[in-house]
Amino acid sequence: QVQLVQSGAEVKTPGASVRVSCRASGYSFPDYFFAWVRQAPGQGLEWMGTINPNGGATTYAQKFQGRVIMTRDRSINTVYMELNSLTSDDTAVYYCARVHVEGAMFDFWGQGALVTVSS
Amino acid sequence: DIVLTQSPESLAVSLGERATISCKSSQSLLYRSDNDNYLAWYQQKPGQPPKLLLFWASARNSGVPDRFSGSGSGTEFTLTISSLQAEDVAAYYCQQYHTPPYTFGQGTKLEIK
Repeated sequence: QVQLVQSGAEVKTPGASVRVSCRASGYSFPDYFFAWVRQAPGQGLEWMGTINPNGGATTYAQKFQGRVIMTRDRSINTVYMELNSLTSDDTAVYYCARVHVEGAMFDFWGQGALVTVSS
Repeated sequence: DIVLTQSPESLAVSLGERATISCKSSQSLLYRSDNDNYLAWYQQKPGQPPKLLLFWASARNSGVPDRFSGSGSGTEFTLTISSLQAEDVAAYYCQQYHTPPYTFGQGTKLEIK
């Protein structure tokens, strides 16, 4: 069965960087794009960007351009999201999600990784 | 960016009754080339990731009970739960995948009355 397993919770200080990983299993890794979506405490969902695990091409939301880097390692079926220059506004649960083959809706999700930014 | 506005923000419905959630888009989500509406609905229970319920505005994802249905076209969409079950207590979000950035509605919290 399809599974997306993310890395654990992180606590960071303002100005630091964080990298969250997402390991996929149960299907052919190169065949589906991945998206990263975050959710601040008690808030809604925010799309950050998408990566093609086949060639590594990325599309980022303009809000995160210059501050986010999405990469992948095909040898271990894993995608990564690195966010730099963290502020308290980046405190959120970060989800990876598989992009549906028919369009940019998200059919499987990781369990989420809480990133807390605090001094 | 396309803005999705959901209403109501919260909703309390009796077990077995119908629940209806609205999602209005600032731009049409209909692609005339394929006559599809690029809108999805998700369910999120506390402490869990979202779960895809519907896409193309009305197509149920695999395993989703048929009490969940979607309707609408263009800029106005509706999620309907025909007979509310206790396990349907959750937040519900619409999402457009017509144009990046892919945006979500602010969510609707559904509770039992």
